[in-house]
Amino acid sequence: KAGVTQTPRYLIKTRGQQVTLSCSPISGHRSVSWYQQTPGQGLQFLFEYFSETQRNKGNFPGRFSGRQFSNSRSEMNVSTLELGDSALYLCASSVDGNTEAFFGQGTRLTVV
Amino acid sequence: KNEVEQSPQNLTAQEGEFITINCSYSVGISALHWLQQHPGGGIVSLFMLSSGKKKHGRLIATINIQEKHSSLHITASHPRDSAVYICAVPSGAGSYQLTFGKGTKLSVIP
Repeated sequence: KAGVTQTPRYLIKTRGQQVTLSCSPISGHRSVSWYQQTPGQGLQFLFEYFSETQRNKGNFPGRFSGRQFSNSRSEMNVSTLELGDSALYLCASSVDGNTEAFFGQGTRLTVV
Repeated sequence: KNEVEQSPQNLTAQEGEFITINCSYSVGISALHWLQQHPGGGIVSLFMLSSGKKKHGRLIATINIQEKHSSLHITASHPRDSAVYICAVPSGAGSYQLTFGKGTKLSVIP
C-alpha cells in the first residue's frame, strides 16, 4: 500500500513569507504527527492530529499551525518565515497515535 | 518530560562486525521506537517494541522496561547499514508526543 506522502519535497522561501506543507497519511491511519529536524536541535515534535483534532502541541511559536481534514490528510503552515525555520519537516502517520509510526520523506524548507 | 540518551554518537565499523547502539530514557513508557535515517532525510521505522526482543533480518532490538534501556544490534554489518539510528519514546505517560535521541551515526567500511 502507498506510504506517507509529503509535498512538496523541496521549497525555497523568503523571510517574511508564509508556507504550507502537506502530508497524506497511509490509508486507514487517523493520526498524523509533524516534526522539525535541524542540525542543531535534532528532531523536535511540532503537533499531532487525530480525527481532525489537535491532541498535542510541541514548544513552538504560534507562527506554526496545522490542521487535519476529514480524509486524515494534514497540512502545516508557517507564517512570517524566519531564517531559523530552515529545516527538514517530517510527518508521520499511525493508526491511532499509539501504534507504529510511518514517516514520509520530508519537505526540506530553505528560508533565504 | 522524558529525557533520551543515546550512545555512542558516532560509530565506525568494519564490514561484518557486530554493532550495538544503546538508548536510555528517564520516564516509564508504553513503547520505544527505533528509526533509521539515510542521507537525504527519509526516516524508516525499524522497530516499535514494548517488551523483550524483536528481530528483522540482521537487526535485533531489545528493551528492558525496568532498567529503562533499549539496544539495537546489527549482525554482520554491511556498508548499506551506514545511516543515523535514532531512538524515540513518548514524552510522558499517555502522550502522543515523541521525544527523540540525538542519533547514532554509523559508518560501515568495506
